[in-house]
Amino acid sequence: AQSVTQPDIHITVSEGASLELRCNYSYGATPYLFWYVQSPGQGLQLLLKYFSGDTLVQGIKGFEAEFKRSQSSFNLRKPSVHWSDAAEYFCAVSFYNQGGKLIFGQGTELSVKP
Amino acid sequence: EAGVAQSPRYKIIEKRQSVAFWCNPISGHATLYWYQQILGQGPKLLIQFQNNGVVDDSQLPKDRFSAERLKGVDSTLKIQPAKLEDSAVYLCASSSERGSGETQYFGPGTRLLVL
Repeated sequence: AQSVTQPDIHITVSEGASLELRCNYSYGATPYLFWYVQSPGQGLQLLLKYFSGDTLVQGIKGFEAEFKRSQSSFNLRKPSVHWSDAAEYFCAVSFYNQGGKLIFGQGTELSVKP
Repeated sequence: EAGVAQSPRYKIIEKRQSVAFWCNPISGHATLYWYQQILGQGPKLLIQFQNNGVVDDSQLPKDRFSAERLKGVDSTLKIQPAKLEDSAVYLCASSSERGSGETQYFGPGTRLLVL
């Protein structure tokens, strides 16, 4: 079955430090890859998405993600974390001919130390 | 542009009672989704509509859950009777088209607690 794995349930980083959140997906057809962020009491907001082409994707709020087909990974990065980045981050995939259905990972909670 | 609206934001009920959630998608969006997000997990698709027709309801517990999207705009998700394990956040999302690459825009969710 198609699945998404986010190995880190909770990560804490210091403000100003770099960040990398990991995401792996199980083998399937050509994936479409997404990263969403969820702040407390809020819905999910799209940070970035990848369909094809350049494997390094730029998103909002200074985030970027790199697709590595050989590793079935789509890791999210930010060079310098701000306190306002504290939130839950979800990786999601959808597959061609599945009508847009998103399959989400379990999420990674990010805490930011002052 | 207004986002996806959901109501109520919070609901507390006792098991075996019924409850309904309402969603108003972004204007003009043909595709509407309902997801269930249990604490500590990622959202899971319950049902997907294209206009007023059901596209995917394979993960909807049909013995207790029902959903409709009359006139292809607003949608209602109902649970009857509720169980303790239905405690979750119910997220509504919409996209302009049906397709694997379409961006889904999410509402703030309805947090349900079943006692």
